[in-house]
Amino acid sequence: DTGVSQNPRHKITKRGQNVTFRCDPISEHNRLYWYRQTLGQGPEFLTYFQNEAQLEKSRLLSDRFSAERPKGSFSTLEIQRTEQGDSAMYLCASLGGLGTGELFFGEGSRLTVL
Amino acid sequence: AQKVTQAQTEISVVEKEDVTLDCVYETRDTTYYLFWYKQPPSGELVFLIRRNSFDEQNEISGRYSWNFQKSTSSFNFTITASQVVDSAVYFCALSENNAGNNRKLIWGLGTSLAVNP
Repeated sequence: DTGVSQNPRHKITKRGQNVTFRCDPISEHNRLYWYRQTLGQGPEFLTYFQNEAQLEKSRLLSDRFSAERPKGSFSTLEIQRTEQGDSAMYLCASLGGLGTGELFFGEGSRLTVL
Repeated sequence: AQKVTQAQTEISVVEKEDVTLDCVYETRDTTYYLFWYKQPPSGELVFLIRRNSFDEQNEISGRYSWNFQKSTSSFNFTITASQVVDSAVYFCALSENNAGNNRKLIWGLGTSLAVNP
């Protein structure tokens, strides 16, 4: 499969625990995006990388959230000291330099904080 | 501020009916992009179309067509002869334009379409 891959697909955790999500973008894509989607809402932008550089972070990304893309390939999104309000689908998308400008999304990682 | 409004929360049609999903946007940018994405129950967002703000031509792709009107800031999506497989949540989105060619999209709340047999 050559699409965007995210894991784990589902994560249930207790409040206060740390969680980490991984995203493997399409291999030749240099831009990688994280979005968050809650039930009944559209996705909300969290952050984006061009290669290994994190170029923008939303104000939604509190101090408890950190994202990395160390080698410009896969990315991780870590949430520390999770809260119930963090429960959402975390979506990763990648974009190449050429083409239609289409964002290719992964299937998402669903987080449930108990 | 940029905003995308999809006034229709849910639509239910019977198979083979035509259905139009509305999208109205607000932006101060003179150059921007509009998108439609489909989100089936599996959850993955599937790209349908991107439209540049300078291109107001309508587009048809099979049973799908899009009507972009800058005068009314609308980018409506029509499915002709709907099928059960069209059942999904459809999102309209707006992209800010900046030098970095960012795809930081502003999304509507989505329209949930149910096509019944």
